[in-house]
Amino acid sequence: GAGVSQTPSNKVTEKGKYVELRCDPISGHTALYWYRQSLGQGPEFLIYFQGTGAADDSGLPNDRFFAVRPEGSVSTLKIQRTERGDSAVYLCASSLGRYDEQFFGPGTRLTVL
Amino acid sequence: TQLLEQSPQFLSIQEGENLTVYCNSSSVFSSLQWYRQEPGEGPVLLVTVVTGGEVKKLKRLTFQFGDARKDSSLHITAAQPGDTGLYLCAGGSGSNTGKLIFGQGTTLQVKP
Repeated sequence: GAGVSQTPSNKVTEKGKYVELRCDPISGHTALYWYRQSLGQGPEFLIYFQGTGAADDSGLPNDRFFAVRPEGSVSTLKIQRTERGDSAVYLCASSLGRYDEQFFGPGTRLTVL
Repeated sequence: TQLLEQSPQFLSIQEGENLTVYCNSSSVFSSLQWYRQEPGEGPVLLVTVVTGGEVKKLKRLTFQFGDARKDSSLHITAAQPGDTGLYLCAGGSGSNTGKLIFGQGTTLQVKP
């Protein structure tokens, strides 16, 4: 069966540009998480969706970051006015329910020049 | 703020050696998980421990959860080159969202 997929796998952009990162969770998984992993660090929680709603966005660093999951499946993480400090691997994970095992995608490596 | 500190951050050993990785916190966690991450991939769950004092074994890997549920360890016996990777511990925050708090990871290199 298909796992969590993320596109693009790599994204290079210039400072100040807008980017969108996509996550396709495992079919039937209602919980979806976004994490950010900087070089040499563990993943850091950004936002959690239960169904279509963002149930916890306490990890979003500032209002340049926004995420949606309009139909309760695919999610898009949107970053406005990118900064060099946004460079990291953005990981998406999904699970059947919020306390179930999280399955991670391969991540999108974002580089802001 | 709940934090998890892993030690050591880097470990380079010869094939056949034993090693232990530690994951410590001043906070109590409802559960602790251990993941392994390969380059270019997401973390993959190895084990979840939920009870203080719990010990779980997965082939040559032994995981232990501290009695007070504030720390955990991963012990690998007779390490093999295939064990090379980034090992991460993660704690359930106890919130109603299921979000995970990760340690900074331990990079293990096993030389043949």
